Amino acid sequence: EVQLLESGGGLVQPGGSLRLSCAASGFTFSSYAMSWVRQAPGKGLEWVSPISGSGDSTYYADSVRGRFTISRDNSKNTLYLQMNSLRVEDTAVYYCAKGYHTISGSVIGFDYWGRGTLVTVSS
Amino acid sequence: DIQMTQSPSSVSASVGDRVTITCRASQGISSWLAWYQQKPGKAPKLLIYAASTLQSGVPSRFSGSGSGTDFTLTISSLQPEDFATYYCQQANSFPYTFGPGTKVDIK
Repeated sequence: EVQLLESGGGLVQPGGSLRLSCAASGFTFSSYAMSWVRQAPGKGLEWVSPISGSGDSTYYADSVRGRFTISRDNSKNTLYLQMNSLRVEDTAVYYCAKGYHTISGSVIGFDYWGRGTLVTVSS
Repeated sequence: DIQMTQSPSSVSASVGDRVTITCRASQGISSWLAWYQQKPGKAPKLLIYAASTLQSGVPSRFSGSGSGTDFTLTISSLQPEDFATYYCQQANSFPYTFGPGTKVDIK
């Protein structure tokens, strides 16, 4: 059974940092791209950042580029999101999501999601 | 970036009703569109990928269609467990953008 378990959320002041983790199990972690998706309270979904299965390819939404860093440790089956220079508008539930791949390897959706971890940025 | 819009933003319906949600992309995305269902306090659930392919385990009352810029999600006979918010998401090019969501609630 595929399981994704996020941790590391909490309350932080503007300008502060947090590192989120997502522990994965039930599938060959290194074979799949992973993403972080966030949802501000009462709002819709925002795709934040993906990372390839090997970890050598990443991308960032404009809203977080230069402040957030996605990484993974395939030996530990764990995905990370380092968040620096946090802003009030980064307040959200952060989900990790497993990429659903075509045969050619393109991600065409997210088939498993964690329960999310809440990040609150407030003074 | 590709912008995604959905209509309606909300719909009130009764059990047994047919419900159709529309998603439009600001530029062509071929068939690279996914639909998700999200219930309050829960993570999204993948319903449909590649515009019309039902994810394993999803009831057949859900169906998707469309290509290019215009897509639809149809629930043929609404069940009590279907009251939720539905999101479309394009997977044609980075950033993978989501639509703003359509809330389906009880009439």
